[in-house]
Amino acid sequence: KAGVTQTPRYLIKTRGQQVTLSCSPISGHRSVSWYQQTPGQGLQFLFEYFSETQRNKGNFPGRFSGRQFSNSRSEMNVSTLELGDSALYLCASSLVTGSGEQFFGPGTRLTVL
Amino acid sequence: GENVEQHPSTLSVQEGDSAVIKCTYSDSASNYFPWYKQELGKRPQLIIDIRSNVGEKKDQRIAVTLNKTAKHFSLHITETQPEDSAVYFCAASIVVGNQFYFGTGTSLTVIP
Repeated sequence: KAGVTQTPRYLIKTRGQQVTLSCSPISGHRSVSWYQQTPGQGLQFLFEYFSETQRNKGNFPGRFSGRQFSNSRSEMNVSTLELGDSALYLCASSLVTGSGEQFFGPGTRLTVL
Repeated sequence: GENVEQHPSTLSVQEGDSAVIKCTYSDSASNYFPWYKQELGKRPQLIIDIRSNVGEKKDQRIAVTLNKTAKHFSLHITETQPEDSAVYFCAASIVVGNQFYFGTGTSLTVIP
């Protein structure tokens, strides 16, 4: 089985722009979660989607949004980028709902200038 | 919401020694506690996990213990090897959905 994939792998944007990141889960996995990883902060939970519905949301501003498609692929959007949004964005997929093992993608490294 | 604290933030051990990383959580509803290893430039990978109905779990040189009453869980690595050098993250998962809360990570260095 192919693993979780994320595109693009690297992205450079300027303040005020918006960005869309994509995540393709492992085939058959219906739950996709997104995390922001920054040095010193670890992995911070952004949101989780299951069957095209956002079930959980972390403590991030409304500039961060996401969606999930019928094929379980998920996108994350960040609008009005700020310097502090520079981070590695990881998505993770899992097979079962409710405390199932998560498999991480390689991440998208976003740099905001 | 859930708050996971992890200590220490950095840990250096001699090859062959043991390493222990500790985490505490705040929400008694959490029932799944995975540990992830992230090597430099790579994605986090699950190395061991434990559920709230179990007190201890072992997998070769790795073990995890859980104390539900005290709300803390620990990762134990015995006979450490240089390839164990990485950042280790603990996490706690709330019962409903896949909402995981991660600790801030422990950078483990195993000195040959």
